[in-house]
Amino acid sequence: EVQLAESGGGLVQPGGSLRLSCAASGFTFSRYGMNWVRQAPGKGLEWVSYMGSSSSATHYADSVKGRFTISRDNAKSSLYLQMNSLRTDDTAVYYCARAAVDGYDYWGRGTLVTVSS
Amino acid sequence: EIVLTQSPATLSMSPGERATLSCRASQGVSSNLAWYQQKPGQAPRRLIYGASTRATGISPRFSGSGSGTEFTLTISSLQSEDFAVYYCQQYNNWPLWTFGQGTKVEIK
Repeated sequence: EVQLAESGGGLVQPGGSLRLSCAASGFTFSRYGMNWVRQAPGKGLEWVSYMGSSSSATHYADSVKGRFTISRDNAKSSLYLQMNSLRTDDTAVYYCARAAVDGYDYWGRGTLVTVSS
Repeated sequence: EIVLTQSPATLSMSPGERATLSCRASQGVSSNLAWYQQKPGQAPRRLIYGASTRATGISPRFSGSGSGTEFTLTISSLQSEDFAVYYCQQYNNWPLWTFGQGTKVEIK
């Protein structure tokens, strides 16, 4: 059974940093591109970042470019998101999602990041 | 960036009724469109991909249609578990796979 489990969320002050993790199981992690998608409270879904299966390709939404860094460790079947210079509008539930050819076929349950003083 | 516009924002329906949700793309996305269902406190779940193909385990009361810029998700007979928010997503413009703003299907 495919499972994705995010961790690392919490309360952080504006300007602070946080590192999210996503532990994958039930599939060959190294064969899939992975994404971070976020959802602000009461709002819709926003794609944040993508990393290819072999870490060769990375992409970011304009809203996080230069502040967030995606990475992965295929040996540990894990995806990460390093978030720096956090702003109040980064407050959201952050999901990791597996990229299929035709959309995101599996999602984690999410981890809440709250940026507030 | 491809913008997806969903309508209506909210659909008030009774159980057993047929629900029709729309998604319009700002430029053509061929059939590269998916629909997701999200219930409160849960992650989204993919229902439809390729505009009309049901994902594994999805009830046949969910159907998708359309191509290019106009798409529709139809729920043939609403069950209590179908009241949720539905999002369309285009994956034609890799990797910037954008979402619509969502349609909430609520109990009338």
